[in-house]
Amino acid sequence: GAVVSQHPSWVICKSGTSVKIECRSLDFQATTMFWYRQFPKQSLMLMATSNEGSKATYEQGVEKDKFLINHASLTLSTLTVTSAHPEDSSFYICSVVEPNSYSNQPQHFGDGTRLSIL
Amino acid sequence: AQKITQTQPGMFVQEKEAVTLDCTYDTSDPSYGLFWYKQPSSGEMIFLIYQGSYDQQNATEGRYSLNFQKARKSANLVISASQLGDSAMYFCAMGAGGFKTIFGAGTRLFVKA
Repeated sequence: GAVVSQHPSWVICKSGTSVKIECRSLDFQATTMFWYRQFPKQSLMLMATSNEGSKATYEQGVEKDKFLINHASLTLSTLTVTSAHPEDSSFYICSVVEPNSYSNQPQHFGDGTRLSIL
Repeated sequence: AQKITQTQPGMFVQEKEAVTLDCTYDTSDPSYGLFWYKQPSSGEMIFLIYQGSYDQQNATEGRYSLNFQKARKSANLVISASQLGDSAMYFCAMGAGGFKTIFGAGTRLFVKA
């Protein structure tokens, strides 16, 4: 069964709207989650590392005020795209790391969220 | 800096034949992990196979095998007996420290009936 639940799977909204995407770890408590963005026909680009109980770590070039990440519990991280514009339209996908895993072990991915801003 | 390179934007293979998807990597870390993921058109990322830098044998998982050549820094994915359901994007990836994973550009595989 699914290890990670991501919701919603598809969002269409007007420009200027803020959109919240949830990523839930179903099988274990996750202190670390990752948020990726994928433009059509491109690879996954890491946006930020979500850390439970502390601030997220953003990759270079990612606006932290634009993409708000909250990891308030050990099973839930949220990504809020604030005042979304058409250029924010993309596929957003989260991943979860099992506790006590080694850094070279695979992550568990959510099914992704397709965000379309009109 | 760590980097993953996939030079094949698209590949065609006849059903039931084998296909090799290329991946080269660059890292200065002596310990690293290499992964292959499959992404169907629906978007989910499906983990296929993993190879650790210290593993002596090439990894195999069913129809998937990883041709790991450490000296050449290559980790090619071999899919045997291709099936129509194998048509998808395939990403080579590397553990980049601190649980981060970096991905290659991907290869789109088309399986022909």
